[in-house]
Amino acid sequence: QSALTQPPSASGSPGQSVTISCTGTSSDVGNYDYVSWYQQLPGQAPKLIIYEVTKRPSGVSDRFSASKSGNTASLTVSGLQAEDEADYYCNSFAGSYVIFGGGTKLTVL
Amino acid sequence: QLQLQESGPGLVKTSETLSLTCTVSGDSISSSTYYWGWIRQPPGKGLEWIGSISYSWATYYNPSLKSRVTMSLDTSKNQFSLRLTSVTATDTAVYYCVASKYYYYHMNVWGQGTTVTVSS
Repeated sequence: QSALTQPPSASGSPGQSVTISCTGTSSDVGNYDYVSWYQQLPGQAPKLIIYEVTKRPSGVSDRFSASKSGNTASLTVSGLQAEDEADYYCNSFAGSYVIFGGGTKLTVL
Repeated sequence: QLQLQESGPGLVKTSETLSLTCTVSGDSISSSTYYWGWIRQPPGKGLEWIGSISYSWATYYNPSLKSRVTMSLDTSKNQFSLRLTSVTATDTAVYYCVASKYYYYHMNVWGQGTTVTVSS
């Protein structure tokens, strides 16, 4: 199984919105509404910010939103803040196992 | 509040077995609420799902690692464990234990991670 495809990097200025894509196949992203997103701040463990495509865990800022169309899921960070600078990973259920994306480094300019 | 803490050797020799334990506090590993799992991250690289185990010992493993992985529960100590056999340098990584609520495909709670280096 291949990793989900994410752009290696993304950037935006404070206050702007940035969207990160996560492309899979009809066997994973396209077939299940079980896509999650994680934020990994430098030197820290990842943190769940989106699950089941669009749901936010309690305590996660509503500046994070997500969607899915076909084989591609997307994470949007609105009102960019310096604290959003981190690595972002998607994952998807793939039938009996879980597959991750390669990660996207978000830089706040 | 659910908390997880990994423990185990930081250095493992090539071809030997990597063994890690995750101690759970704040809930019982016998609870049907969570799946318990392991994720790893090689230096400077992305995340890789290793596998998950349910309270009833149902296991789900990454197909690429399945032949070398075993996960287990120790209810008396409220711990779960990972064994990875025949390790090579490519198994060098930070290993995270995780808890997934209701389903094993999203990871709600993460341990802080433990670094394991494989070297001869």
